[in-house]
Amino acid sequence: NAGVTQTPKFQVLKTGQSMTLQCAQDMNHEYMSWYRQDPGMGLRLIHYSVGAGITDQGEVPNGYNVSRSTTEDFPLRLLSAAPSQTSVYFCASSYSGDVREKLFFGSGTQLSVL
Amino acid sequence: AQKVTQAQTEISVVEKEDVTLDCVYETRDTTYYLFWYKQPPSGELVFLIRRNSFDEQNEISGRYSWNFQKSTSSFNFTITASQVVDSAVYFCALSDDNTGKLIFGQGTTLQVKP
Repeated sequence: NAGVTQTPKFQVLKTGQSMTLQCAQDMNHEYMSWYRQDPGMGLRLIHYSVGAGITDQGEVPNGYNVSRSTTEDFPLRLLSAAPSQTSVYFCASSYSGDVREKLFFGSGTQLSVL
Repeated sequence: AQKVTQAQTEISVVEKEDVTLDCVYETRDTTYYLFWYKQPPSGELVFLIRRNSFDEQNEISGRYSWNFQKSTSSFNFTITASQVVDSAVYFCALSDDNTGKLIFGQGTTLQVKP
């Protein structure tokens, strides 16, 4: 089972460049989310979706866009990369988004913005 | 405000030692859930355990055990007879019913030396 798949695993950008981090899950989960992991700060929620066509902001949404056109895919777009967006990004999903459910995580994307 | 504190940033032990990872939380909710996730060097976070606020029984799973105490707002995690494969970053997390989100602690990096 593939679970949650993220691409790419590593990416280096220059300030001002744009890019899309891809996330796909094959578990038919309604809930998908993006987190960023920074040293000493744990994981912080960027955006999330409770189903196709529905997205909402998390704790740190500025500088990021998302869309959910299918149940399987939840891409994260950086519109104009900034050094402050250097981080490790994780996509996570769960069956319905109930806060009691465990999350399934992808393997992460390490992003460096120069 | 909801908060999770993992005061231990890094812990280093020698194989076969027992080690306890501390987690202290703050919440105004009467019903909540606590989680532990493991992040091995491969990067992908893996769910370990979930406890609800009504169940204060300690739980043991093989070499792992969890001590949940509402009186001290703590949910500590003990690894008995640690092994090199236990080396990872461990995250404690708290459910927030108001936002439907998980709040993660800063994480504790555990290094088990042979």
